[in-house]
Amino acid sequence: AQSVSQHNHHVILSEAASLELGCNYSYGGTVNLFWYVQYPGQHLQLLLKYFSGDPLVKGIKGFEAEFIKSKFSFNLRKPSVQWSDTAEYFCAVTVSGGGADGLTFGKGTHLIIQP
Amino acid sequence: EPEVTQTPSHQVTQMGQEVILRCVPISNHLYFYWYRQILGQKVEFLVSFYNNEISEKSEIFDDQFSVERPDGSNFTLKIRSTKLEDSAMYFCASRLDSFYGYTFGSGTRLTVV
Repeated sequence: AQSVSQHNHHVILSEAASLELGCNYSYGGTVNLFWYVQYPGQHLQLLLKYFSGDPLVKGIKGFEAEFIKSKFSFNLRKPSVQWSDTAEYFCAVTVSGGGADGLTFGKGTHLIIQP
Repeated sequence: EPEVTQTPSHQVTQMGQEVILRCVPISNHLYFYWYRQILGQKVEFLVSFYNNEISEKSEIFDDQFSVERPDGSNFTLKIRSTKLEDSAMYFCASRLDSFYGYTFGSGTRLTVV
């Protein structure tokens, strides 16, 4: 079975700092990769996804992620964070196949942006 | 933007009671899911549902759990005899097909006392 590791459980940054959140997965086959964000009191929202093609994917709110197959990684980046980026960030994977496959989530990274 | 709607937002139940958590997926989506998140832990997949039947289920989804799509719009998760350890946030999600992301609802916080 696949698993997802997010290295940083808590990250504190100042506004305008650059962000990189690590995500590694373990699965030998083809995967689909996702980053979700959960703002306080809100539901999980899709930031971006990778299915195939260009390994650098751009998402909403200025986020991007790079899929590095050799490293089994899908790190999330943002060049300049804002206070409104304070949230919980989840990396998730599903094996490439039918639409019924459930997501396997990492434990999440709690990001706090200080003004 | 279309949303997945979950009701209630918070439910408190006594141990041993049955609960039904309700979800209205996005109307043209074909795949439906339930996930749960115990406080302080990761979001865990419970079950997926497609074409009016269960497609995949995790080891968490044992005989006390069941899902239904009774009327073509609602998607329910029933827990027959709740236990303290069932206390968690339960998320419903839906998906148009395998090339799309999953859209999540706001969740139902279930507290078993």
